[in-house]
Amino acid sequence: EDQVTQSPEALRLQEGESSSLNCSYTVSGLRGLFWYRQDPGKGPEFLFTLYSAGEEKEKERLKATLTKKESFLHITAPKPEDSATYLCAVRTQDYKLSFGAGTTVTVRA
Amino acid sequence: NAGVTQTPKFRVLKTGQSMTLLCAQDMNHEYMYWYRQDPGMGLRLIHYSVGEGTTAKGEVPDGYNVSRLKKQNFLLGLESAAPSQTSVYFCASQSGVYEQYFGPGTRLTVT
Repeated sequence: EDQVTQSPEALRLQEGESSSLNCSYTVSGLRGLFWYRQDPGKGPEFLFTLYSAGEEKEKERLKATLTKKESFLHITAPKPEDSATYLCAVRTQDYKLSFGAGTTVTVRA
Repeated sequence: NAGVTQTPKFRVLKTGQSMTLLCAQDMNHEYMYWYRQDPGMGLRLIHYSVGEGTTAKGEVPDGYNVSRLKKQNFLLGLESAAPSQTSVYFCASQSGVYEQYFGPGTRLTVT
């Protein structure tokens, strides 16, 4: 059975304090790993797709990396507007995603 | 483009009542999905559709039905609502093997 586990559940950071979120997965055949950002009361917003081990993607203060067993979302010098829940998902069949429970990041000014 | 829209945004039902949630997308995407999101459990797939006139069960389909009569619309029905169906419901659409785009959600409370 496909499993996606995110850690930690919650992360409180001071503005400028860099950190990383983890997404570990167990799937029979990875066809893509996705990162989403979700703000309170809103739908998830797409950030990145990673397809193969060693691949990296960057967007502003966020950088996503992928190994054969896990992905990391690095937040460099975060700002309060980076506060959100970050969701990880894996695609194993062409049509469906399996999501982790998310990591809620709070950045204090 | 409006992207993915959902109606209604909020709804309160009594146990046993029925309702339909509407999802619409204007991106001509083939695939559409209904998820529910509960605290600490992430997004769970209820039903999905790979094209007009087709539907399939996801991870948690019991108590729900769906229809996709038009490519741009995907309806989620609750025939007899139960308190366990209190949740936030999200619709999403996808083109090919690319990322899914989500709607703003419907917050449903069943009392």
